Amino acid sequence: DTGVSQDPRHKITKRGQNVTFRCDPISEHNRLYWYRQTLGQGPEFLTYFQNEAQLEKSRLLSDRFSAERPKGSFSTLEIQRTEQGDSAMYLCASSALQGYEQYFGPGTRLTVT
Amino acid sequence: GNSVTQMEGPVTLSEEAFLTINCTYTATGYPSLFWYVQYPGEGLQLLLKATKADDKGSNKGFEATYRKETTSFHLEKGSVQVSDSAVYFCASPGTGGFKTIFGAGTRLFVKA
Repeated sequence: DTGVSQDPRHKITKRGQNVTFRCDPISEHNRLYWYRQTLGQGPEFLTYFQNEAQLEKSRLLSDRFSAERPKGSFSTLEIQRTEQGDSAMYLCASSALQGYEQYFGPGTRLTVT
Repeated sequence: GNSVTQMEGPVTLSEEAFLTINCTYTATGYPSLFWYVQYPGEGLQLLLKATKADDKGSNKGFEATYRKETTSFHLEKGSVQVSDSAVYFCASPGTGGFKTIFGAGTRLFVKA
């Protein structure tokens, strides 16, 4: 078990471009979560999946954001028409069906110029 | 909904000093409570947890006791090391139970 992985680790993009991030959870974990963390703040929940079903989305997740987990394994988070306010660390976590412990990946740091 | 509030940092201590980072929660019922740690350049790691009132979570010399009377889950360590320098987050499941609600984080600096 190699833990949760995220790719890329860093992304610099120009305002208005689209970006896509990938998360590979711990293999036996059914639940997958996306969070956003800005400097000096705790992570804020964006969305979560149980298997391939997206069960909850935060109001933080505007229409420009979309997440998928097509086969219940890896997940992607796409941001369309990026804005400077999207600059943040995007964290992925996974958990088993039992319990609330979440295991986090290293994050993808997005910088929008 | 559920929320957690933790003391602001940064906290600067000398090696071997005693550490307390305060955390209080607001919740319906008695949710599980967690402390996560984020070392520089790394993702969050679960440090310890408590699943019910009066439980004590412990790991790596850190302890926290779930106190429902004061709705608190303060993090303590008797003797900090330079390697403990990190950001510490208090956390709890959100309403509905699956997402996690985090405090703003407390940055700890430990000087040799």
